[in-house]
Amino acid sequence: GENVEQHPSTLSVQEGDSAVIKCTYSDSASNYFPWYKQELGKRPQLIIDIRSNVGEKKDQRIAVTLNKTAKHFSLHITETQPEDSAVYFCAARGKADNKFYFGSGTKLNVKP
Amino acid sequence: NAGVTQTPKFRILKIGQSMTLQCTQDMNHNYMYWYRQDPGMGLKLIYYSVGAGITDKGEVPNGYNVSRSTTEDFPLRLELAAPSQTSVYFCASSQLQSDSLINYGYTFGSGTRLTVV
Repeated sequence: GENVEQHPSTLSVQEGDSAVIKCTYSDSASNYFPWYKQELGKRPQLIIDIRSNVGEKKDQRIAVTLNKTAKHFSLHITETQPEDSAVYFCAARGKADNKFYFGSGTKLNVKP
Repeated sequence: NAGVTQTPKFRILKIGQSMTLQCTQDMNHNYMYWYRQDPGMGLKLIYYSVGAGITDKGEVPNGYNVSRSTTEDFPLRLELAAPSQTSVYFCASSQLQSDSLINYGYTFGSGTRLTVV
């Protein structure tokens, strides 16, 4: 099956700075990559996703980039705000089994 | 439209007891999943189902059982609870898009926090 690695495990930034979280995947056939935000004690919520036929997608302060050749994708958050503080998970959909494989998560702390 | 509903929200079990975690979705999704999330950790797949009557094991199925008699319901059964099963359990559902055969992002339930003592 697919194997997804996520870095860093923790990230601390000053309010207004940018944050970047990176994930790599092993299955070159994977074709869909969602990102989830999980606030403390709450369920994971889908914040942005990208298909394999697209290199970049943007939604206000959040963007995701995908490099299929290198098999990695990244989440970019610009102008960070304290409410961006949460755990972020990347995932990749394994084409062979149609299951989602999650990264281990990144705890983002935005300091006011 | 409630999405994915899980009950109960919290439960304390004694070692050796059994219980069923309920999960219902009203979006007519064909795929449903059970994950567990240990403190400070990621999501591990326990079981999943691609449709009514079809279930399959995930990464950590030992100690659990599931059934999928209807599209809407996907209960998770714990038999002989052990302290290692203390975790937060999330149910999720998703829909396979027939035009692209891509299973798009999950909708998660609010979770069940289970403590086994």
